[in-house]
Amino acid sequence: GAGVSQSPSNKVTEKGKDVELRCDPISGHTALYWYRQSLGQGLEFLIYFQGNSAPDKSGLPSDRFSAERTGGSVSTLTIQRTQQEDSAVYLCASSLQGLSYEQYFGPGTRLTVT
Amino acid sequence: AQKITQTQPGMFVQEKEAVTLDCTYDTSDQSYGLFWYKQPSSGEMIFLIYQGSYDEQNATEGRYSLNFQKARKSANLVISASQLGDSAMYFCAMRDGGAQKLVFGQGTRLTINP
Repeated sequence: GAGVSQSPSNKVTEKGKDVELRCDPISGHTALYWYRQSLGQGLEFLIYFQGNSAPDKSGLPSDRFSAERTGGSVSTLTIQRTQQEDSAVYLCASSLQGLSYEQYFGPGTRLTVT
Repeated sequence: AQKITQTQPGMFVQEKEAVTLDCTYDTSDQSYGLFWYKQPSSGEMIFLIYQGSYDEQNATEGRYSLNFQKARKSANLVISASQLGDSAMYFCAMRDGGAQKLVFGQGTRLTINP
């Protein structure tokens, strides 16, 4: 079956602009996660969705970052007034609910802020 | 707070040799899960193996096995008969019973030499 998909694969934006990153999880996966991978910082958790609600937003680095999920499926991560330190690969993952279920990752969106 | 430590930034191994990638973790929860992911140069995160904290047997998946030493809080990945295609970054990650997010270690870059 289809895996997790993300779009765009690459995004170059100017400092101060807003960007939207999209994630399509695996059908039937109720849990959805956003992570960020940057040099020197490793993989950082951003936000977790269960259905359309986000019980854990603890990883969002500032109020410029927000995310939503609709229909228990597609999720959008929005970064407002982008800064150069936002440059990273943004990874989305989805899973079934439960401790033992692995998270399936998408290919990521590489964001470059110039 | 959860913490994952991977002490080997890089490893070089001859093809066909076995290799052990180290991972130690810290959690106060009794229920948790440990995961290993592989990230080739293409960037996708590939799930390799899972070990639950209550599992008495070490997990195995083909050439991958997890050497789980609960008292030492250690979850080392063992790759038998290494292949050139095993060259990649390897991440150890943990999820505890109280959270859904994965906490990742800094990763180990494995290079298999012919």
